[in-house]
Amino acid sequence: DAGITQSPRHKVTETGTPVTLRCHQTENHRYMYWYRQDPGHGLRLIHYSYGVKDTDKGEVSDGYSVSRSKTEDFLLTLESATSSQTSVYFCAISESTGFNYGYTFGSGTRLTVV
Amino acid sequence: GIQVEQSPPDLILQEGANSTLRCNFSDSVNNLQWFHQNPWGQLINLFYIPSGTKQNGRLSATTVATERYSLLYISSSQTTDSGVYFCAVKPAQGGSEKLVFGKGTKLTVNP
Repeated sequence: DAGITQSPRHKVTETGTPVTLRCHQTENHRYMYWYRQDPGHGLRLIHYSYGVKDTDKGEVSDGYSVSRSKTEDFLLTLESATSSQTSVYFCAISESTGFNYGYTFGSGTRLTVV
Repeated sequence: GIQVEQSPPDLILQEGANSTLRCNFSDSVNNLQWFHQNPWGQLINLFYIPSGTKQNGRLSATTVATERYSLLYISSSQTTDSGVYFCAVKPAQGGSEKLVFGKGTKLTVNP
Protein backbone atom coordinates (compact mmCIF):
# COMPACT_ATOMS: atom_id res chain seq x y z
CA ASP A 1 0.00 0.00 0.00
CA ALA A 2 1.40 3.38 -0.97
CA GLY A 3 0.54 4.91 2.43
CA ILE A 4 2.75 2.64 4.47
CA THR A 5 6.29 1.47 3.79
CA GLN A 6 8.60 -0.82 5.69
CA SER A 7 12.37 -0.90 5.52
CA PRO A 8 14.41 -2.88 4.96
CA ARG A 9 12.44 -5.50 3.01
CA HIS A 10 14.97 -8.20 3.77
CA LYS A 11 17.73 -8.45 6.33
CA VAL A 12 20.17 -11.09 7.49
CA THR A 13 21.90 -10.42 10.77
CA GLU A 14 24.05 -12.27 13.25
CA THR A 15 22.96 -13.44 16.68
CA GLY A 16 23.61 -10.81 19.33
CA THR A 17 23.54 -7.78 17.04
CA PRO A 18 21.00 -4.98 17.37
CA VAL A 19 18.50 -4.55 14.56
CA THR A 20 16.04 -1.75 13.86
CA LEU A 21 13.10 -2.04 11.50
CA ARG A 22 11.30 1.05 10.29
CA CYS A 23 7.66 1.64 9.48
CA HIS A 24 6.74 4.89 7.76
CA GLN A 25 3.21 6.10 7.01
CA THR A 26 1.91 9.04 5.04
CA GLU A 27 -1.72 8.68 6.20
CA ASN A 28 -1.39 10.55 9.51
CA HIS A 29 -3.10 7.63 11.25
CA ARG A 30 -3.01 7.59 15.01
CA TYR A 31 -2.47 3.87 15.58
CA MET A 32 0.54 1.86 14.44
CA TYR A 33 1.28 -1.80 15.13
CA TRP A 34 4.10 -4.28 14.78
CA TYR A 35 3.21 -7.93 14.15
CA ARG A 36 5.32 -10.98 13.47
CA GLN A 37 4.17 -13.88 11.34
CA ASP A 38 5.45 -17.39 11.91
CA PRO A 39 4.31 -20.77 10.58
CA GLY A 40 1.97 -22.42 13.05
CA HIS A 41 1.48 -19.21 15.03
CA GLY A 42 -0.10 -16.88 12.54
CA LEU A 43 0.17 -13.15 13.18
CA ARG A 44 0.98 -12.02 16.69
CA LEU A 45 1.10 -8.48 18.06
CA ILE A 46 4.52 -7.34 19.34
CA HIS A 47 3.94 -3.69 20.26
CA TYR A 48 1.61 -0.92 19.25
CA SER A 49 1.42 2.85 19.45
CA TYR A 50 -1.60 5.08 19.99
CA GLY A 51 0.22 8.35 19.48
CA VAL A 52 3.61 10.07 19.54
CA LYS A 53 5.60 8.66 22.46
CA ASP A 54 2.60 6.49 23.46
CA THR A 55 3.31 2.79 23.11
CA ASP A 56 2.25 -0.43 24.76
CA LYS A 57 3.12 -4.10 24.71
CA GLY A 58 1.43 -6.82 22.73
CA GLU A 59 1.47 -10.55 23.35
CA VAL A 60 5.05 -11.28 22.25
CA SER A 61 6.97 -8.18 23.32
CA ASP A 62 9.94 -9.81 25.10
CA GLY A 63 13.20 -8.95 23.36
CA TYR A 64 11.68 -6.04 21.43
CA SER A 65 11.42 -2.32 22.02
CA VAL A 66 9.68 0.38 20.02
CA SER A 67 9.79 4.12 19.62
CA ARG A 68 7.54 6.68 18.01
CA SER A 69 8.99 10.18 18.01
CA LYS A 70 6.91 11.34 15.04
CA THR A 71 3.40 10.46 13.90
CA GLU A 72 4.70 8.98 10.66
CA ASP A 73 7.46 6.71 11.99
CA PHE A 74 7.29 3.63 14.23
CA LEU A 75 10.57 1.83 14.89
CA LEU A 76 10.95 -1.73 16.11
CA THR A 77 14.30 -2.62 17.71
CA LEU A 78 15.66 -6.03 18.52
CA GLU A 79 18.24 -5.15 21.15
CA SER A 80 20.21 -8.38 20.75
CA ALA A 81 18.85 -10.54 17.96
CA THR A 82 18.28 -14.26 18.56
CA SER A 83 17.47 -17.06 16.14
CA SER A 84 13.94 -17.24 17.58
CA GLN A 85 13.37 -13.75 16.19
CA THR A 86 13.77 -14.97 12.63
CA SER A 87 10.39 -14.09 11.20
CA VAL A 88 8.44 -11.89 8.85
CA TYR A 89 7.57 -8.59 10.50
CA PHE A 90 4.56 -6.57 9.46
CA CYS A 91 3.66 -3.04 10.36
CA ALA A 92 0.03 -1.92 10.28
CA ILE A 93 -1.78 1.39 10.66
CA SER A 94 -5.30 2.32 11.67
CA GLU A 95 -7.08 5.62 12.12
CA SER A 96 -9.19 4.47 15.01
CA THR A 97 -9.27 1.68 17.51
CA GLY A 98 -12.80 0.63 16.95
CA PHE A 99 -15.61 1.53 14.69
CA ASN A 100 -15.47 1.73 10.93
CA TYR A 101 -11.73 1.47 10.58
CA GLY A 102 -9.75 -1.44 9.28
CA TYR A 103 -6.03 -2.02 9.32
CA THR A 104 -3.65 -1.37 6.45
CA PHE A 105 -0.54 -3.52 6.43
CA GLY A 106 2.89 -2.82 5.03
CA SER A 107 4.67 -5.23 2.71
CA GLY A 108 6.63 -6.88 5.47
CA THR A 109 10.29 -7.29 6.44
CA ARG A 110 11.82 -10.74 6.25
CA LEU A 111 14.42 -10.99 9.00
CA THR A 112 16.84 -13.88 9.30
CA VAL A 113 19.05 -14.19 12.37
CA VAL A 114 22.01 -16.53 11.83
CA GLY B 1 -8.49 -14.79 25.68
CA ILE B 2 -10.76 -14.77 22.67
CA GLN B 3 -10.50 -17.73 20.32
CA VAL B 4 -10.81 -17.44 16.53
CA GLU B 5 -11.38 -20.54 14.46
CA GLN B 6 -11.43 -20.59 10.68
CA SER B 7 -12.67 -23.33 8.44
CA PRO B 8 -11.81 -25.07 6.30
CA PRO B 9 -8.03 -24.88 6.78
CA ASP B 10 -7.44 -25.72 3.14
CA LEU B 11 -9.62 -25.37 0.07
CA ILE B 12 -8.91 -26.26 -3.54
CA LEU B 13 -11.21 -25.00 -6.28
CA GLN B 14 -11.46 -24.94 -10.02
CA GLU B 15 -11.58 -21.52 -11.57
CA GLY B 16 -15.17 -20.30 -11.73
CA ALA B 17 -16.37 -22.12 -8.62
CA ASN B 18 -17.91 -20.43 -5.59
CA SER B 19 -16.75 -20.86 -2.00
CA THR B 20 -17.66 -19.95 1.56
CA LEU B 21 -15.08 -19.44 4.29
CA ARG B 22 -16.15 -19.38 7.91
CA CYS B 23 -14.82 -17.62 11.01
CA ASN B 24 -16.11 -18.49 14.48
CA PHE B 25 -15.14 -16.44 17.51
CA SER B 26 -15.65 -17.17 21.18
CA ASP B 27 -16.64 -13.78 22.58
CA SER B 28 -18.26 -10.47 21.66
CA VAL B 29 -16.24 -8.32 19.28
CA ASN B 30 -16.26 -4.70 18.21
CA ASN B 31 -13.94 -5.15 15.29
CA LEU B 32 -13.81 -7.94 12.72
CA GLN B 33 -11.75 -7.84 9.58
CA TRP B 34 -11.05 -10.18 6.69
CA PHE B 35 -7.65 -10.14 5.02
CA HIS B 36 -6.20 -11.83 1.98
CA GLN B 37 -2.50 -12.70 2.01
CA ASN B 38 -1.38 -13.24 -1.56
CA PRO B 39 1.36 -15.68 -2.57
CA TRP B 40 3.90 -12.84 -2.36
CA GLY B 41 3.06 -12.24 1.29
CA GLN B 42 1.15 -8.99 0.99
CA LEU B 43 -1.78 -8.62 3.41
CA ILE B 44 -4.76 -6.89 1.89
CA ASN B 45 -7.72 -5.72 3.93
CA LEU B 46 -10.89 -7.05 2.31
CA PHE B 47 -13.61 -6.04 4.76
CA TYR B 48 -14.13 -4.32 8.05
CA ILE B 49 -17.35 -6.00 9.17
CA PRO B 50 -18.14 -6.33 12.89
CA SER B 51 -21.78 -6.89 11.91
CA GLY B 52 -24.02 -6.97 8.87
CA THR B 53 -23.25 -7.66 5.24
CA LYS B 54 -20.92 -6.00 2.75
CA GLN B 55 -20.09 -6.69 -0.85
CA ASN B 56 -17.15 -5.74 -3.01
CA GLY B 57 -17.26 -7.15 -6.51
CA ARG B 58 -17.10 -10.94 -6.39
CA LEU B 59 -16.47 -10.94 -2.66
CA SER B 60 -19.02 -10.46 0.07
CA ALA B 61 -19.00 -10.95 3.81
CA THR B 62 -21.61 -11.41 6.48
CA THR B 63 -21.12 -11.24 10.24
CA VAL B 64 -23.79 -12.44 12.65
CA ALA B 65 -22.42 -10.92 15.83
CA THR B 66 -25.08 -12.43 18.11
CA GLU B 67 -24.10 -15.92 16.95
CA ARG B 68 -20.39 -15.13 16.84
CA TYR B 69 -19.51 -16.04 13.31
CA SER B 70 -18.60 -14.42 10.03
CA LEU B 71 -18.68 -15.77 6.48
CA LEU B 72 -16.65 -14.71 3.47
CA TYR B 73 -18.13 -15.58 0.09
CA ILE B 74 -16.04 -15.76 -3.05
CA SER B 75 -17.98 -16.13 -6.27
CA SER B 76 -16.66 -17.08 -9.70
CA SER B 77 -13.21 -17.68 -8.25
CA GLN B 78 -10.10 -16.72 -10.22
CA THR B 79 -6.52 -17.93 -9.92
CA THR B 80 -5.62 -14.54 -8.46
CA ASP B 81 -7.86 -15.34 -5.49
CA SER B 82 -5.32 -17.91 -4.34
CA GLY B 83 -3.62 -17.26 -1.05
CA VAL B 84 -4.50 -17.34 2.62
CA TYR B 85 -7.61 -15.66 4.00
CA PHE B 86 -7.46 -14.46 7.58
CA CYS B 87 -10.22 -13.42 9.90
CA ALA B 88 -9.19 -11.11 12.76
CA VAL B 89 -11.20 -9.82 15.69
CA LYS B 90 -10.89 -7.44 18.59
CA PRO B 91 -12.75 -8.29 21.83
CA ALA B 92 -15.48 -5.86 22.82
CA GLN B 93 -14.60 -6.17 26.49
CA GLY B 94 -11.31 -5.47 28.19
CA GLY B 95 -10.09 -2.54 26.12
CA SER B 96 -7.42 -4.62 24.44
CA GLU B 97 -5.78 -3.26 21.33
CA LYS B 98 -4.86 -6.72 20.20
CA LEU B 99 -6.39 -7.79 16.90
CA VAL B 100 -6.50 -11.56 17.23
CA PHE B 101 -5.99 -13.51 14.04
CA GLY B 102 -7.30 -16.91 13.12
CA LYS B 103 -4.95 -19.43 11.55
CA GLY B 104 -6.37 -18.77 8.11
CA THR B 105 -7.87 -20.68 5.21
CA LYS B 106 -5.46 -21.50 2.42
CA LEU B 107 -7.25 -21.23 -0.91
CA THR B 108 -5.86 -22.64 -4.12
CA VAL B 109 -7.71 -21.87 -7.34
CA ASN B 110 -6.62 -24.00 -10.27
CA PRO B 111 -7.04 -22.90 -13.89
